[in-house]
Amino acid sequence: QQQVKQSPQSLIVQKGGISIINCAYENTAFDYFPWYQQFPGKGPALLIAIRPDVSEKKEGRFTISFNKSAKQFSLHIMDSQPGDSATYFCAAGVDGAGSYQLTFGKGTKLSVIP
Amino acid sequence: DTGVSQDPRHKITKRGQNVTFRCDPISEHNRLYWYRQTLGQGPEFLTYFQNEAQLEKSRLLSDRFSAERPKGSFSTLEIQRTEQGDSAMYLCASSPRSTQGAIGYTFGSGTRLTVV
Repeated sequence: QQQVKQSPQSLIVQKGGISIINCAYENTAFDYFPWYQQFPGKGPALLIAIRPDVSEKKEGRFTISFNKSAKQFSLHIMDSQPGDSATYFCAAGVDGAGSYQLTFGKGTKLSVIP
Repeated sequence: DTGVSQDPRHKITKRGQNVTFRCDPISEHNRLYWYRQTLGQGPEFLTYFQNEAQLEKSRLLSDRFSAERPKGSFSTLEIQRTEQGDSAMYLCASSPRSTQGAIGYTFGSGTRLTVV
């Protein structure tokens, strides 16, 4: 059972454009939703994270939008740059003692073309 | 501190051989995790240690897999009698005692295993 569904699988965006990646989750116990960025040959690196008590979080060019009732969240990358070309993973977990796993989506390969 | 360190970075082995990977977490982190990432997929949880105690294991961790963290510092992941389906990136992560749940992960760069 895939608990976190991510789309699209791949995305091509022109430099300066907006990249949008969507995720949906099933387990209502999840209350921590991070996004990770992964470059080839490297491990995932935390980009930005949100908890369900807010509907939006912005850090620089990266924004997470969260819809608790729809159990969906998305990553928006504004003014996309070629250096943003990477694979992005959404994930879900629990903010609390007793559960330490992260459940990841399948990833979105973003290519930003000049 | 240079982050989570994994060794080796790459390993090619013949089917049926045993392999062992090492992970050195960030020094002040008491929790350590192993994940597996196959091509085109997100990381999948394998197991979790708090200090030296292995507290959680995924059903993905068959009896050919064993993980240890003997002194609560570095960890090893051993795969016995490797199969071609074991080919994947094995990722280690750690998180500090100051956080709870799935917060505060730092991943290493992984060990890429190829079974031929």
